[in-house]
Amino acid sequence: DTGVSQNPRHKITKRGQNVTFRCDPISEHNRLYWYRQTLGQGPEFLTYFQNEAQLEKSRLLSDRFSAERPKGSFSTLEIQRTEQGDSAMYLCASSWGTSGGETQYFGPGTRLLVL
Amino acid sequence: AQSVTQLGSHVSVSEGALVLLRCNYSSSVPPYLFWYVQYPNQGLQLLLKYTSAATLVKGINGFEAEFKKSETSFHLTKPSAHMSDAAEYFCAVSGTTGANSKLTFGKGITLSVRP
Repeated sequence: DTGVSQNPRHKITKRGQNVTFRCDPISEHNRLYWYRQTLGQGPEFLTYFQNEAQLEKSRLLSDRFSAERPKGSFSTLEIQRTEQGDSAMYLCASSWGTSGGETQYFGPGTRLLVL
Repeated sequence: AQSVTQLGSHVSVSEGALVLLRCNYSSSVPPYLFWYVQYPNQGLQLLLKYTSAATLVKGINGFEAEFKKSETSFHLTKPSAHMSDAAEYFCAVSGTTGANSKLTFGKGITLSVRP
């Protein structure tokens, strides 16, 4: 078990470009979460999946953001028409369970800088 | 809505001294509570969690926390600080059902340990 992995680790893009991040959860974990962390703040919830179903989206997630988890395995987070305010660390976490209180295991994050 | 308050952004202690990091939560019902640690350039790692079993929870690396419903607190302590404890610490809260498992984090506290 290699833990949660995220790619790329760093991304620099120009305003207006589209970017896509990938998260590979711990194998057989049924839940996958995306969070965003800005400097000096704690992570903020964006969205989560149980298997392939996207069960909740934060109001922080504008229409420019879309996430998928095809076949309930890896997940992608796409940001269209990036803005400077999108600059942040994007964290992925996975867990096993359905009753609540499960430990979420975090990946190292993808740091996005929008110029 | 649930929330977490971590007062102060930075705590400095001497090596061997007591570590006390404060966390207060707001929730309409007793929630689940978590402490995560983030070392530089690494992902968040779970230190310990409270999920309505024993109110005194022991975690990794000698840390423990006590859930106090009357004070709506979940403070993190360690009897004797070690240089390797220098990191950022996040308190988080979640609901107690599978449908409300997302984590809501505090802003975090940076712990420095002086030799």
